[in-house]
Amino acid sequence: QVQLQESGPGLVKPSETMSLTCSVSGGSISNYYWSWFRQPPGKGLEWIGYVFYGGSTDYHPSLRSRVTISADTSKNQVSLRLASVTDADTAVYYCARTPGIHLWFDFWGPGTPVAVSS
Amino acid sequence: DIVMTQSPDSLAVSLGERATINCKSSQSVLKRSNNKNCLAWYQQKPGQPPKLLIYWASTRESGVPGRFSGSGSETDFTLTISRLQAEDVAVYYCQQYESSPPTFGQGTTLELK
Repeated sequence: QVQLQESGPGLVKPSETMSLTCSVSGGSISNYYWSWFRQPPGKGLEWIGYVFYGGSTDYHPSLRSRVTISADTSKNQVSLRLASVTDADTAVYYCARTPGIHLWFDFWGPGTPVAVSS
Repeated sequence: DIVMTQSPDSLAVSLGERATINCKSSQSVLKRSNNKNCLAWYQQKPGQPPKLLIYWASTRESGVPGRFSGSGSETDFTLTISRLQAEDVAVYYCQQYESSPPTFGQGTTLELK
């Protein structure tokens, strides 16, 4: 059974860059697409973007200028970097797997909360 | 972006009764290449990540109870829980994956009456 675990700093200062890692166990990240999502407190889900293990990416247009998602097959990890954060980036961040080229999401991490505050 | 709109925003149903959640997309999510609707449903309980229930509008994910079913086509979709159980209390989301970015409905909160 594939398991995902997000990790990163729970608090980030405004204007800084947030970095999160998704560690995958029970299976290889190879041959799958891996996405990041966020969910502000009490709100719905927003897709941030994905990386294919080979390195191709796609990002939400509203975040494209600030987001980088990458995959490290040697560590079996996927990473998210979000630059120039503001209060609006405060959310629980999730990573999830897509089983194929169609973007539905079958395995999710438990999520990691990130607060942007000075 | 394709906008997904769910109705109702919240729903109270008695144990053993049927629950029906609707989802409407701002444009068709039917993929002509395989004649399948690019629509998924998720269940999210407090403090937990979403759980995939259904994809291709009506294909149940492995391990999902048979009381959950999905239907619909093009722009109008429905998630039905045939006989509500206590553990089904949650927020339910629809999501389209016909075009990027994949987008979610605002969620429907299902409670016990």
